[in-house]
Amino acid sequence: EDQVTQSPEALRLQEGESSSLNCSYTVSGLRGLFWYRQDPGKGPEFLFTLYSAGEEKEKERLKATLTKKESFLHITAPKPEDSATYLCAVPRSGNTPLVFGKGTRLSVIA
Amino acid sequence: DAGVTQSPTHLIKTRGQQVTLRCSPISGHKSVSWYQQVLGQGPQFIFQYYEKEERGRGNFPDRFSARQFPNYSSELNVNALLLGDSALYLCASSLVWTDTQYFGPGTRLTVL
Repeated sequence: EDQVTQSPEALRLQEGESSSLNCSYTVSGLRGLFWYRQDPGKGPEFLFTLYSAGEEKEKERLKATLTKKESFLHITAPKPEDSATYLCAVPRSGNTPLVFGKGTRLSVIA
Repeated sequence: DAGVTQSPTHLIKTRGQQVTLRCSPISGHKSVSWYQQVLGQGPQFIFQYYEKEERGRGNFPDRFSARQFPNYSSELNVNALLLGDSALYLCASSLVWTDTQYFGPGTRLTVL
């Protein structure tokens, strides 16, 4: 069964304190790994797609990396506006719809 | 350019009633997917449509149904509502069914 596990469930950082979020997955024939940001009560906002091990993508203070079994979302010098839930998802085996992890709830304190 | 739009924003229903949620995809996108998200969980896949044909269905009861119209907009219907159907219902669109999915703001359904 396709599974996506994110850790930690919640993370509290001081402004400027860098850290990483983890997403591990079990799916045969990975056809992409997706990162989304979700603010409370709103729809997920697309951040990155990674397709192959070793690939990296950056956007402002965020950098996503991919290995054969997991992905990391690195947050460098975070600001309070980076506070949100970060979701990781992979396409279901043999089909497109996404299987999501439960997310990491990030709080950045000024 | 307008993103994915959903209506209504919020909805309150009672057990046993029926509800219809609506979604308009990004212009040019031909695939629409529906997800249910309960508090503290990631979105769960319900349906995917591409070119008005059902491409996939998640593990939801037959009370849930959907369709896609010729203009690629979509409706999600839920019959005989249960308390457990209370959730944020998300619509996502993509160019084709294998492409990156972009989400709308969601419809918050509360069943009393």
